[in-house]
Amino acid sequence: GQSLEQPSEVTAVEGAIVQINCTYQTSGFYGLSWYQQHDGGAPTFLSYNALDGLEETGRFSSFLSRSDSYGYLLLQELQMKDSASYFCAVRDHTGEAAGNKLTFGGGTRVLVKP
Amino acid sequence: DAGVTQSPTHLIKTRGQQVTLRCSPKSGHDTVSWYQQALGQGPQFIFQYYEEEERQRGNFPDRFSGHQFPNYSSELNVNALLLGDSALYLCASSLYAGEQFFGPGTRLTVL
Repeated sequence: GQSLEQPSEVTAVEGAIVQINCTYQTSGFYGLSWYQQHDGGAPTFLSYNALDGLEETGRFSSFLSRSDSYGYLLLQELQMKDSASYFCAVRDHTGEAAGNKLTFGGGTRVLVKP
Repeated sequence: DAGVTQSPTHLIKTRGQQVTLRCSPKSGHDTVSWYQQALGQGPQFIFQYYEEEERQRGNFPDRFSGHQFPNYSSELNVNALLLGDSALYLCASSLYAGEQFFGPGTRLTVL
């Protein structure tokens, strides 16, 4: 079956850097996505890595190592509005149907303090 | 450009009842996925629709069924509701791999 592990909670101060690690076990792996979800809100897409390496989008960067079944999300120059839950999600498939099925981790709650 | 919309926003039902949730995908998106999110947990994949057919299904019982219409909108039906079905139900649409756009969700409470 599929499983993803990520820390449950991280606390940091404004301006700091936070790295959220994600390890996964799955068959039919296509790529690793990251989503942000504020309390009461819907998950919003942050990044997607299909190949090894680092993807940078503004203050957020995401990394993938397929051989290690590992990825991370790096949040830089933390702001109060970054307080939210962050989910890694594996894009995988079962059977013959390729698609966009996502298997989510349990989420990491990031608390940014002044 | 409207994003993914879902209705209703909130719903209260009693055990044994049936419920239908609705989703309109982002303009131009042809694939709709449904997820269940319990409080404090990550979303769990229920199923995915493409070209009006169920393409993939997660580990949910047959009480959970769905439909996709020619305009790509979708419905999620849950029969014989249980207390454990109380959750946020999220619809997501996509056009290509990797990036899914989520709607605001329907909060279902089963009493």
